[in-house]
Amino acid sequence: DAGVTQSPTHLIKTRGQQVTLRCSPKSGHDTVSWYQQALGQGPQFIFQYYEEEERQRGNFPDRFSGHQFPNYSSELNVNALLLGDSALYLCASSINRGSSYEQYFGPGTRLTVT
Amino acid sequence: QKEVEQNSGPLSVPEGAIASLNCTYSDRVSQSFFWYRQYSGKSPELIMSIYSNGDKEDGRFTAQLNKASQYVSLLIRDSQPSDSATYLCAVRRGRDDKIIFGKGTRLHILP
Repeated sequence: DAGVTQSPTHLIKTRGQQVTLRCSPKSGHDTVSWYQQALGQGPQFIFQYYEEEERQRGNFPDRFSGHQFPNYSSELNVNALLLGDSALYLCASSINRGSSYEQYFGPGTRLTVT
Repeated sequence: QKEVEQNSGPLSVPEGAIASLNCTYSDRVSQSFFWYRQYSGKSPELIMSIYSNGDKEDGRFTAQLNKASQYVSLLIRDSQPSDSATYLCAVRRGRDDKIIFGKGTRLHILP
């Protein structure tokens, strides 16, 4: 049973550039959530995608955008990178039915902005 | 008041003892509660979920929920050095279903 996968593993970008991170959900899951985790902090919710639409959004600027494809995979795009965007970006997948709400995380993408 | 609060630790527990991790939350209508384990440099791993008041046991782990006190805890019995990690408490907010994480508690099991 394939778990959540993310690519790339590591990424180094320069301030002002744009970046795209990718996520494939766990087999059978249809909902993808993205989180940003700074060092020593808990994951901060960015947004959630279901049925190819952004269903919820956290307190992140419009520089952060996303997309979900028909196969449930997802992308996170960040424009005009700032030094403060350096963090571990986590994708979590879940099933949008029942009351479980259990989320399973991928290995993450470590983004460094210089 | 933070939405989900945890003591950042580190919490040091001797090998073989019981480790007790605590979490409080502010949204009184929260419905679902989760504990994740995160090793340094790795992503969070779901270890327990609990939805109703009382205890839920899974192997060496027991999650305890008290909605009236807005308190959830995780007990780890027979602690092993491999349990040394950061434990994240997560709460599904009742008003919008968003899952909010605490900052985590660092647990160190002393051999």
